[in-house]
Amino acid sequence: EVQLVESGGGLVKPGGSLRLSCAASGFTFTSYSMSWVRQAPGKGLEWVSSISGSGSYIYYADSLKGRFTISRDNAKNSLSLQMNSLRAEDTAVYHCARGFSNHQYDFDYWGQGTQVTVSS
Amino acid sequence: DIQMTQSPSSLSASVGDRVTITCRASQGVSNYLAWYQQKPGRVPKLLIFAASTLQSGVPSRFSGSGSGTDFTLTISSLQPEDVAAYYCQKYNSAPYIFGQGTKLEIK
Repeated sequence: EVQLVESGGGLVKPGGSLRLSCAASGFTFTSYSMSWVRQAPGKGLEWVSSISGSGSYIYYADSLKGRFTISRDNAKNSLSLQMNSLRAEDTAVYHCARGFSNHQYDFDYWGQGTQVTVSS
Repeated sequence: DIQMTQSPSSLSASVGDRVTITCRASQGVSNYLAWYQQKPGRVPKLLIFAASTLQSGVPSRFSGSGSGTDFTLTISSLQPEDVAAYYCQKYNSAPYIFGQGTKLEIK
């Protein structure tokens, strides 16, 4: 059974940093792209970042302007998102999601998400 | 920047109705278009990929069509359990953006 479990969310002050993790199980991790998608309270889905199975290809939403860094540890079946210079508008539930295949970026499995709140 | 525009933003229909949601891309995306369903309090669920291919386990009353810039999600006979928000997403190339969503309610 495919499982994606996020962790690392919490309350952080504006300008602070947070590192999110996603533990994956139930599938061959290196064979799939992985992504982060966020959803602000009462709002729609917003794609954040994606990474190919090998980690060679990385993509970010333009709105992040270099503040976020995605990475993966294929030995540990783990996906991460380092978030710096956080702003109030980054407040959202952050989901990790599995791509349909290594270089395909529609998402067939989603984690339950971890809440990130940016507030003073 | 490329945009994905869904219409309508919200929709109220009766059980048994045929429901259609449209998604328009500001640039062509070939058939790299997915549809998701998000029920209240739940994570999104992939319904359709490649514009018209039904994901395993999705009821056959759901269907998708389109190519290029104009796409449609159709529910042939609306059921109470279909109350949800529906999102389209392009995935031909980054950014892999979503439409703004369509909230579907039962009348």
